[in-house]
Amino acid sequence: EAGVTQFPSHSVIEKGQTVTLRCDPISGHDNLYWYRRVMGKEIKFLLHFVKESKQDESGMPNNRFLAERTGGTYSTLKVQPAELEDSGVYFCASSDVGGRVDEQFFGPGTRLTVL
Amino acid sequence: AQSVAQPEDQVNVAEGNPLTVKCTYSVSGNPYLFWYVQYPNRGLQFLLKYITGDNLVKGSYGFEAEFNKSQTSFHLKKPSALVSDSALYFCAVRASYSGAGSYQLTFGKGTKLSVIP
Repeated sequence: EAGVTQFPSHSVIEKGQTVTLRCDPISGHDNLYWYRRVMGKEIKFLLHFVKESKQDESGMPNNRFLAERTGGTYSTLKVQPAELEDSGVYFCASSDVGGRVDEQFFGPGTRLTVL
Repeated sequence: AQSVAQPEDQVNVAEGNPLTVKCTYSVSGNPYLFWYVQYPNRGLQFLLKYITGDNLVKGSYGFEAEFNKSQTSFHLKKPSALVSDSALYFCAVRASYSGAGSYQLTFGKGTKLSVIP
């Protein structure tokens, strides 16, 4: 079974440009999450999808960030326009739906550098 | 608000010796606790979790963790460290209530484990 995949693995852009990150969850996982780790700091929650619906977007830093999950499969996270402080590693995770507490399976992350 | 503290940025241990990576947490209600490991250039990999039941949880690669409710701790342990255990370890907590916001994991800053041959 394929794990969570993310594209690209690295992205270097200039301040003011737009970047779109993509996440493909494990097949059949209805829950999809985005997290971010800024250099040397904690991994912070950004938002949570259940299928195509945003269940919790309390961690989104501002309206320059837009996440979508059309059709409830893959998700994209767009940053427009990018700022220097957006640099970091963006992780996507997915989990199954169920009554038990399922662990979240993480992708390898996208390292974003804003110059 | 929930939080996780990993008091050590780095832990060094000799190969073959026991290792402990410390974690304390704060959360409303009963906690769901997790340990993840990140090897260089890789994503986060699930190691183990505590939901309920036995306070000693066994996980992947010979790791275990002990839940201590009175000390609000969930330290990661391994009886005999391997050089290949060298990696970045993250402790995380999730609230046990249901509903919006309950699924998000709150992570500690991570502890870099170095096992010396």
